[in-house]
Amino acid sequence: QKEVEQDPGPLSVPEGAIVSLNCTYSNSAFQYFMWYRQYSRKGPELLMYTYSSGNKEDGRFTAQVDKSSKYISLFIRDSQPSDSATYLCAMSLDNYGQNFVFGPGTRLSVLP
Amino acid sequence: DVKVTQSSRYLVKRTGEKVFLECVQDMDHENMFWYRQDPGLGLRLIYFSYDVKMKEKGDIPEGYSVSREKKERFSLILESASTNQTSMYLCASRTVKETQYFGPGTRLLVL
Repeated sequence: QKEVEQDPGPLSVPEGAIVSLNCTYSNSAFQYFMWYRQYSRKGPELLMYTYSSGNKEDGRFTAQVDKSSKYISLFIRDSQPSDSATYLCAMSLDNYGQNFVFGPGTRLSVLP
Repeated sequence: DVKVTQSSRYLVKRTGEKVFLECVQDMDHENMFWYRQDPGLGLRLIYFSYDVKMKEKGDIPEGYSVSREKKERFSLILESASTNQTSMYLCASRTVKETQYFGPGTRLLVL
């Protein structure tokens, strides 16, 4: 079993739809959870950074962490064609070291 | 804004060549990382550095070396490039209590 699992997609949705992107993980020691957006041929850019369970909202984006189920989600409301990208989840054991683990990414296409 | 820059966006090299990839960050971050990204495999850590002249192996260090002579600069060296090192190479940096910030990536093709 991989440490972090993520549906690779591609996921295609119409403009304006609510998008749900998900990751599951196996190591219950992960404490910090991140979502990155990566446009084609570019480096990943940080979207959301959360600690522990619960929800965090930033504009159209909501990150949700359920540590009991070892499951994290990113919701995108009112999706736009400019949201078309690959979304990577990442997680780490602590806030000091290098123990980051990345999911393989989900490719999202938002159709106008 | 954190800025991480990489010396080349695209690079084409021949098998056996020595290849240098350079990364510079302007935020005085202690930690710097080199990853490679391949379809279906995600991001895999090659090396990281937590201070000047310090380095640690990541998950896939074979065939690579690194150099960190100055805090802002972290170089990845392919001693003798091989076709299986064709990939997207991503540099990242971070400081304590923050997450990683990535550069734009270098697409390397080894022929």
